[in-house]
Amino acid sequence: QTVVTQEPSFSVSPGGTVTLTCGLSSGSVSTNYYPSWYQQTPGQAPRTLIYNINTRSSGVPDRFSGSMLGNKAALTITGAQADDESDYYCVLYLPSGMVFGGGTKLTVL
Amino acid sequence: EVQLVESGGGLVKPGGSLRLSCAASGLTFSNAWMSWVRQAPGKGLEWVGRIKSKTNGGTTDYAAPVKGRFTISRDDSRNTVYLQMNSLKTEDTALYYCTTVNWGAFDVWGQGTMVTVSS
Repeated sequence: QTVVTQEPSFSVSPGGTVTLTCGLSSGSVSTNYYPSWYQQTPGQAPRTLIYNINTRSSGVPDRFSGSMLGNKAALTITGAQADDESDYYCVLYLPSGMVFGGGTKLTVL
Repeated sequence: EVQLVESGGGLVKPGGSLRLSCAASGLTFSNAWMSWVRQAPGKGLEWVGRIKSKTNGGTTDYAAPVKGRFTISRDDSRNTVYLQMNSLKTEDTALYYCTTVNWGAFDVWGQGTMVTVSS
């Protein structure tokens, strides 16, 4: 079974830049998998940040950007703010269905 | 503004059944692909299944853990999508979210409805 991989945790300083990645346990992430990214703070429903690799969802600030980085999808946060401290999930649209990564807990300190 | 409101969650015994509903507004529902996503307490997000619009065949797909036990359906006259859950297991305990699907991604999210499977 294919597993979508993410860093379990990451830390960034306020104002800094961080890149989170989304990979596959075997093989490369294809653009045909339409990588997307979601932000979730405790007790809240997820919020869609990025879809189709690099398209920002409505209302998402441009300091969030998506890209392909080597054989993975990536989410970059430029100029991190305190309220960016959240869990971030990627999703890949695989032949087996829509599969979530395990999530990355981002700390801003 | 698109809004999704889930309902129907509650406490059910293992082996029991429950039907969740998701009422949508602010969109042309008949054109929308809809999905259910769940989150067990303290855990990550997990895709449950998806239903396409009737113009795209109205077909459904499910994640392996729920295939054969859960069924997604839609009533376009009521702007509502359903999740029928049968043969429930304790590991189905989760907050269940309804979402729209666009460009292979989850778009708008509801606030979720809690399902607890326990004896």
